[in-house]
Amino acid sequence: QSVLTQPPSASGTPGQRVTISCSGSSSNIGVNPVNWYQHLPGTAPKLLSYGNNQRPSGVPDRFSGSKSGTSASLAISGLQSEDEADYYCASWDDDRVVIGGGTKLTVL
Amino acid sequence: VHLVESGGGLVKPGGSLRLSCAASGFTFSDYYMSWIRQAPGKGLEWVSYISTSGEITKFADSVKGRFTISRDNAKHSLFLQMNSLTAEDTAVYYCARGPDKVTTHFDWWGQGTLVTVSS
Repeated sequence: QSVLTQPPSASGTPGQRVTISCSGSSSNIGVNPVNWYQHLPGTAPKLLSYGNNQRPSGVPDRFSGSKSGTSASLAISGLQSEDEADYYCASWDDDRVVIGGGTKLTVL
Repeated sequence: VHLVESGGGLVKPGGSLRLSCAASGFTFSDYYMSWIRQAPGKGLEWVSYISTSGEITKFADSVKGRFTISRDNAKHSLFLQMNSLTAEDTAVYYCARGPDKVTTHFDWWGQGTLVTVSS
């Protein structure tokens, strides 16, 4: 069981806005930044959002991270077929990295 | 930035394996480095990180006491020594730059190397 809880799946149609949640606790998300990664099978995971809501260079502004209390969210607007992938939230807890169980996003 | 893992393969339960990660395109000695794995059909699992000088190392509970992480800054290389391997260690192992000291993120990842533990 992951320390950070994500829904196992999410879905949306092209053009829609989808939100993926990540629930933690006062020892991780509550006091540390949250980062989000996109992972397509057979490829290197890609950083999508860091420091709760910062977007790395090259990541479209369709992707936006946010945090409130002990929970975080990744919103994807203007959903595209190439967004179909696994998404992971991650944070810090007692000198260790903690990663959510992942959410498989399907574009219908 | 380029990270290339090597050393994966098939190993018997109880055996050992040493993974390597060759880094290029950045000042290797300025960054913490990590190993993260993904077992078949499972999510990403952080395994270990090492500080810039190698003085600080941390491990996930699932590998503590069996895995050792090290680095050679002169050769821009990261290593993971894995001992007493079990089937549960079967996974693709990724080398990643980070965690960042402030935001704790991993900003670059390698393509991964597959480790299979089976008799």
